[in-house]
Amino acid sequence: DIQMTQSPSTLSASVGDRVTITCRASQTISIWLAWYQQKQGKAPKLLITKASSLKSGVPSRFSGSGSGTEFTLTISSLQPDDFATYYCQQYNGDSPWTFGQGTKVEMK
Amino acid sequence: QISLQESGPTLIKPTQTLTLTCTFSGFSLSASGVGVGWIRQPPGQALEWLALIYWDDDKRYTPSLKNRLTITKDTSKNQVVLTMTNMDPVDTATYYCAHRYSGYSYFDYWGQGTLITVSS
Repeated sequence: DIQMTQSPSTLSASVGDRVTITCRASQTISIWLAWYQQKQGKAPKLLITKASSLKSGVPSRFSGSGSGTEFTLTISSLQPDDFATYYCQQYNGDSPWTFGQGTKVEMK
Repeated sequence: QISLQESGPTLIKPTQTLTLTCTFSGFSLSASGVGVGWIRQPPGQALEWLALIYWDDDKRYTPSLKNRLTITKDTSKNQVVLTMTNMDPVDTATYYCAHRYSGYSYFDYWGQGTLITVSS
């Protein structure tokens, strides 16, 4: 199975900060990576697919990059609505498809 | 507009079999490329993909739980059912069903989730 490792596990930031979350795959997954945002008590919301393709309706302050085994999610200017937990998910080839352990973005 | 809704018991005893139903609308599970998956999340923990059923009735399971899981679909009712045998307290989690984006196994629409507690 492909293991996905996110860092950091928790990130303390302020409104307006630039935030970067890293996701590493245990083997190459090309660009087959998605990012989700999850707020407390809610279902995950899809943000980015194919490592860098922003889903329609997602604010442009979110961006993704990377390929192979290392990926990043960047929020260019953190907004109050962005405090949440973020998960990466690899969907390379056939199953199993795996998620990272999550990164919680909290208020500093 | 795609929507999904999970239903099932909120409390189940250890060793019992869990049956969860996902009722969806806004898409057809007979259309090529479509799939519905199940993902769970123990309290305070990460997401874990469990199973996926494709439009052609092909199925995939996470290896660690493969022997305990069965996923089926009823296209006429727009439902997908997940059964998990021999439930244990460690299986306490919120269980989500989700729509697989056609051709790629990421999930673009999710149900609200249902919390299943395993306790005697």
